[in-house]
Amino acid sequence: DQQVKQNSPSLSVQEGRISILNCDYTNSMFDYFLWYKKYPAEGPTFLISISSIKDKNEDGRFTVFLNKSAKHLSLHIVPSQPGDSAVYFCAAGYTGNQFYFGTGTSLTVIP
Amino acid sequence: DGGITQSPKYLFRKEGQNVTLSCEQNLNHDAMYWYRQDPGQGLRLIYYSQIVNDFQKGDIAEGYSVSREKKESFPLTVTSAQKNPTAFYLCASSISLEQFFGPGTRLTVL
Repeated sequence: DQQVKQNSPSLSVQEGRISILNCDYTNSMFDYFLWYKKYPAEGPTFLISISSIKDKNEDGRFTVFLNKSAKHLSLHIVPSQPGDSAVYFCAAGYTGNQFYFGTGTSLTVIP
Repeated sequence: DGGITQSPKYLFRKEGQNVTLSCEQNLNHDAMYWYRQDPGQGLRLIYYSQIVNDFQKGDIAEGYSVSREKKESFPLTVTSAQKNPTAFYLCASSISLEQFFGPGTRLTVL
């Protein structure tokens, strides 16, 4: 049973606009969340993380929001750039245990 | 410079043969992981190791084996018991919670 879900397989956004990628999880014990970016035939690259004691973490154009009551997190990219086109994976886990990855959302930023 | 290397990038094997995928890191990370990615699916954990000479099964360990004799190395053997071995295999390492990934090996079993 999938513990981490990304229900949108793909997303298209115009350059300069906001991209919002969503992720839902089922295990309320998860206390750490990660976002990765992946290009085809390459390994994922770590983007940003958030712990359960926070509800927001920002790093440049990337912001992750966590809603613990809804078991939902989202990644906002503002402004979106063509180089952001990639597959984005969210991952969730808790200290001392493995992380579970979602199925990914393929983002296309249209110039 | 530091990083994780996986070799080779592409690997072809005949059905019924065992094959070992290499993963080396010079980041001095304690923990190492092996994932498998299939089209339309997320990364699924095969095995992980928190320290040398110790490893645990992940969600899909059947048909795979690993060893962790050195901190820097975590080779994965895909055995003939693995029913669908063709996939993209990713190795990762971590010292805290963020995992850093290698470039991956695409294994094709003919």
